[in-house]
Amino acid sequence: SAVISQKPSRDICQRGTSLTIQCQVDSQVTMMFWYRQQPGQSLTLIATANQGSEATYESGFVIDKFPISRPNLTFSTLTVSNMSPEDSSIYLCSVEDPDKTISGNTIYFGEGSWLTVV
Amino acid sequence: TQLLEQSPQFLSIQEGENLTVYCNSSSVFSSLQWYRQEPGEGPVLLVTVVTGGEVKKLKRLTFQFGDARKDSSLHITAAQPGDTGLYLCAGADNYGQNFVFGPGTRLSVLP
Repeated sequence: SAVISQKPSRDICQRGTSLTIQCQVDSQVTMMFWYRQQPGQSLTLIATANQGSEATYESGFVIDKFPISRPNLTFSTLTVSNMSPEDSSIYLCSVEDPDKTISGNTIYFGEGSWLTVV
Repeated sequence: TQLLEQSPQFLSIQEGENLTVYCNSSSVFSSLQWYRQEPGEGPVLLVTVVTGGEVKKLKRLTFQFGDARKDSSLHITAAQPGDTGLYLCAGADNYGQNFVFGPGTRLSVLP
């Protein structure tokens, strides 16, 4: 398993500003992911954070809006840029199970960062 | 594109009742996970199933992976208010690098 810490857990943000969410894992992991969960909805993958290279974004998400850093195998950041009320969501960091050969392909989640844009 | 469907979408039951939640797809997954998410929190992993036909039990929760690895079910016996939450299933493709999430089943257990 993996223990994932996200900061901030909650924030209220002004329209037009940017906020960076941090994700720290207690072990080295190859795959780190960022998800968005809008109110009452399921999870949508924003991007895969690749260590040492640019993140891989899913359709509908772009680097200018959601820049991602992955400086090492235990840490990543997601920035939500130029926020609007439509960006109000829970943003979730997740990682692939470092012991996947034992438990099958599994991903674990951080506690989430609940952003409200006003 | 792999898709997962879940049913029912919403479920409200009385404490002590039994229930089953279903997760279905036309695609084959190498593994399937069930998560429970409470309001304002991240999803918490309940179980991973890997082998077709596999059954896993976690106290009052029983998970089954379909023989063809395209579907799964979660059965809760004698539900309690603490079981309230959003139940999400997620499937991993054969490469294990793409995870698809179902829309979730929102369960409410009334005391």
